[in-house]
Amino acid sequence: EAGVVQSPRYKIIEKKQPVAFWCNPISGHNTLYWYLQNLGQGPELLIRYENEEAVDDSQLPKDRFSAERLKGVDSTLKIQPAELGDSAVYLCASSHGSPGYEQYFGPGTRLTVT
Amino acid sequence: DQQVKQNSPSLSVQEGRISILNCDYTNSMFDYFLWYKKYPAEGPTFLISISSIKDKNEDGRFTVFLNKSAKHLSLHIVPSQPGDSAVYFCAAKGSNYKLTFGKGTLLTVNP
Repeated sequence: EAGVVQSPRYKIIEKKQPVAFWCNPISGHNTLYWYLQNLGQGPELLIRYENEEAVDDSQLPKDRFSAERLKGVDSTLKIQPAELGDSAVYLCASSHGSPGYEQYFGPGTRLTVT
Repeated sequence: DQQVKQNSPSLSVQEGRISILNCDYTNSMFDYFLWYKKYPAEGPTFLISISSIKDKNEDGRFTVFLNKSAKHLSLHIVPSQPGDSAVYFCAAKGSNYKLTFGKGTLLTVNP
């Protein structure tokens, strides 16, 4: 079974530029999560989708962050414009069920904003 | 306010000995707890979990113990192997299904 796929793995951009991250969850997993992980910290939830619906986006900074999961499968997380403090690892996870307790994580995208 | 705390940033043990990783939580509404293992440049990998109605769950070399009255859980790895060297995250699930993670403990198993 293929795991959660994320791209790109690494991204370096200048501040004020836009950036987008892509996630393909495990086949059949209807719940998808985006997490932010700062250095030396545990992952922090940004948004949770059940199928196409964002059911928990309370931690998503909506002034610059947006996400979508149009067909209930792949998802994209966007930052526009990026700030220096956005440098972190962005993790995507998926689970089966509504929502499954065991979440399966992708390798993450390491973002560096200069 | 950190609701899930892993107070030991690192732990070093000898191969073959027991590794004990600890986690404390403050929110009494947490009803499910998980441990994840993370290697460098990879995402966290689910390891083992326990429901709040149990006090122990075992899976091979890994055992998780839950003490609800003390709001404390621990992960025991016996025997420890060099391949177990990784960062271990404790996570707790609340009523809103959100997972709250600790900061992690770096385990080093020396050959």
